[in-house]
Amino acid sequence: GQQLNQSPQSMFIQEGEDVSMNCTSSSIFNTWLWYKQDPGEGPVLLIALYKAGELTSNGRLTAQFGITRKDSFLNISASIPSDVGIYFCAGQPGGSQGNLIFGKGTKLSVKP
Amino acid sequence: EAGVAQSPRYKIIEKRQSVAFWCNPISGHATLYWYQQILGQGPKLLIQFQNNGVVDDSQLPKDRFSAERLKGVDSTLKIQPAKLEDSAVYLCASSRYRGNTIYFGEGSWLTVV
Repeated sequence: GQQLNQSPQSMFIQEGEDVSMNCTSSSIFNTWLWYKQDPGEGPVLLIALYKAGELTSNGRLTAQFGITRKDSFLNISASIPSDVGIYFCAGQPGGSQGNLIFGKGTKLSVKP
Repeated sequence: EAGVAQSPRYKIIEKRQSVAFWCNPISGHATLYWYQQILGQGPKLLIQFQNNGVVDDSQLPKDRFSAERLKGVDSTLKIQPAKLEDSAVYLCASSRYRGNTIYFGEGSWLTVV
C-alpha cells in the first residue's frame, strides 16, 4: 500500500530554535495535512494544504505542499515548551475516498 | 461546535473477551472513520462510512472486528474476541464530506492482557 516517509523520527531542540520536518511519498497526493498529537489525546489538525505549491501559515507554523505533489514540509519557528508532542503528516491520495495515509510521526522535545 | 466524542476513553480487557467503542461525530458530518493507532505509529484506517453505508473496510480484520453506523450518525466498533495485538488507540474521526478535512476524537485506549 501507499506509504509516507516522515523525517526526522525525533528531534531534541533548545527553546527558541526553529524546527523543520518533512514527508515524502512515492505517489501523488491531492491534499496534505499536518497534525499534532499530545500524549493521551487524538491528533489535532494544524494545517491543511490543498494545492501544489501552496504555502500556508498558522501562527509560528508554516507548511508547504510540494510542487511535485509528492512531498510536504512543516516548519515551526521560535519553538516553545508547549510545542512538545508528536507531529504527523497525512495525505489524501488521488482517487481516494477521502481516506488519509499517515506518516510515522516526528517526536519533538523542547528543552527550556 | 462540539468535536468528535468517543467512549470509553480507556478499557482494559483480557484476551478473548469482547469490547465495544462508541463514536458521535461532529454534527452534520456525513463521513465517519475508525482508525487504529498502535504505539509509536501513525493511525491506520480500519473502516470508513458515508452516511450509513460502508465506503472502505479493506483493512478491517473482519474475523474479529465489526462496525456499524445504522442511522448515519453514531457508530460502534466492536472487537470479538480480542487479541493481545489489538492493544492500541482506536480513533474515530469525521469530515463533512469525503475529501474534506478530517477531525479526530480523543481516542479510546485499549489494553488487552
